[in-house]
Amino acid sequence: GEDVEQSLFLSVREGDSSVINCTYTDSSSTYLYWYKQEPGAGLQLLTYIFSNMDMKQDQRLTVLLNKKDKHLSLRIADTQTGDSAIYFCAEGGSQGNLIFGKGTKLSVKP
Amino acid sequence: DAGVTQSPTHLIKTRGQQVTLRCSPISGHKSVSWYQQVLGQGPQFIFQYYEKEERGRGNFPDRFSARQFPNYSSELNVNALLLGDSALYLCASSFVPPSAGRNIQYFGAGTRLSVL
Repeated sequence: GEDVEQSLFLSVREGDSSVINCTYTDSSSTYLYWYKQEPGAGLQLLTYIFSNMDMKQDQRLTVLLNKKDKHLSLRIADTQTGDSAIYFCAEGGSQGNLIFGKGTKLSVKP
Repeated sequence: DAGVTQSPTHLIKTRGQQVTLRCSPISGHKSVSWYQQVLGQGPQFIFQYYEKEERGRGNFPDRFSARQFPNYSSELNVNALLLGDSALYLCASSFVPPSAGRNIQYFGAGTRLSVL
């Protein structure tokens, strides 16, 4: 079946790097996505990666994909207090939908 | 350019009532999807419409229905509301059809529904 797992909480100090991890089950997913949700808001697309790529970098964000282990990670360099939010990993479902994990709540301490 | 817009922002209903939520996609986007996000969980897929046809349906009861209009806006209807329907309902739009591999979906701010 299709399922996405994430750790629920991550706490880092301002200026450190944050690494949010995710595992997925559907090896046929061609794209994997990271979304950010701030309190009371909708989901903001941060980045995505094609399944034949190992890494994608976009400014402070680095996505690593280990397709063999079905493991995806999002690294945020120089984490700021404004990065405090819930981060969702998602894989593409068979109906063109997105399948989300439960989200990782990132807390950034000054 | 306007993003995905949803209305209303908040809604309070009582059990047994019916509710209609509305969504306008990004201009040029023909695909609209609906998701339910219960507190503390990730969004769960309800429906996807493309070119006014239903292209996908999640594991939700028949009390949930939706439609897409010629201008690609969409409505989600929920009948006979239950307490468990309290959630944030998110609409997302996409430029490509559901069968496309790179199905980037852009989300609205959601409608928060409270059922008392």
